[in-house]
Amino acid sequence: EAQVTQNPRYLITVTGKKLTVTCSQNMNHEYMSWYRQDPGLGLRQIYYSMNVEVTDKGDVPEGYKVSRKEKRNFPLILESPSPNQTSLYFCASSLWGVGTSRTGELFFGEGSRLTVL
Amino acid sequence: AQSVAQPEDQVNVAEGNPLTVKCTYSVSGNPYLFWYVQYPNRGLQFLLKYITGDNLVKGSYGFEAEFNKSQTSFHLKKPSALVSDSALYFCAVRDGGNYGQNFVFGPGTRLSVLP
Repeated sequence: EAQVTQNPRYLITVTGKKLTVTCSQNMNHEYMSWYRQDPGLGLRQIYYSMNVEVTDKGDVPEGYKVSRKEKRNFPLILESPSPNQTSLYFCASSLWGVGTSRTGELFFGEGSRLTVL
Repeated sequence: AQSVAQPEDQVNVAEGNPLTVKCTYSVSGNPYLFWYVQYPNRGLQFLLKYITGDNLVKGSYGFEAEFNKSQTSFHLKKPSALVSDSALYFCAVRDGGNYGQNFVFGPGTRLSVLP
């Protein structure tokens, strides 16, 4: 089954304790992305990657790191979490390229709800 | 720069009535357009997309959307709303002819279908 898997789904942590949210996809997609969703603010992109070893900042990258060492995985790292990073996080993946055969829809994971105390 | 607008934060409709959720976009190249739905405590689910071809595209759960190039719109429609359609709907665009151009999402529209 084609899917994007995020872990953990729920996490409560404390300020300053490093954490990693993993994301894995089994569709051989080039493109992967992280979003955060906060009430009234819609979806905001944190980082994205158009292929292995290629990453770029989205709209709200501060306080986050990513890496793309393998095509299937795109972990989100919070080196020193703060309460303003309490949010619902989504990972997504897609085919990537130009033209109709390389433009697919985004597939989303089920989300990771993070609370930083 | 690309952008997507969803002019209504909230749409209320009675069950059985037709529904429309509006989306307008701005993109310099070829617009590839998408609609997603988010149910409470769930991830976003793909509903339908316009890439090329027929301006009226049909998707999941009886939804359809009409691409209008002159009005730069891609409104989501359903002939007869169900209470179970109540959810948050997002429109998104990508410039399909530009390798480096990212997906851009609208702010979302909350649809409430009243019994």
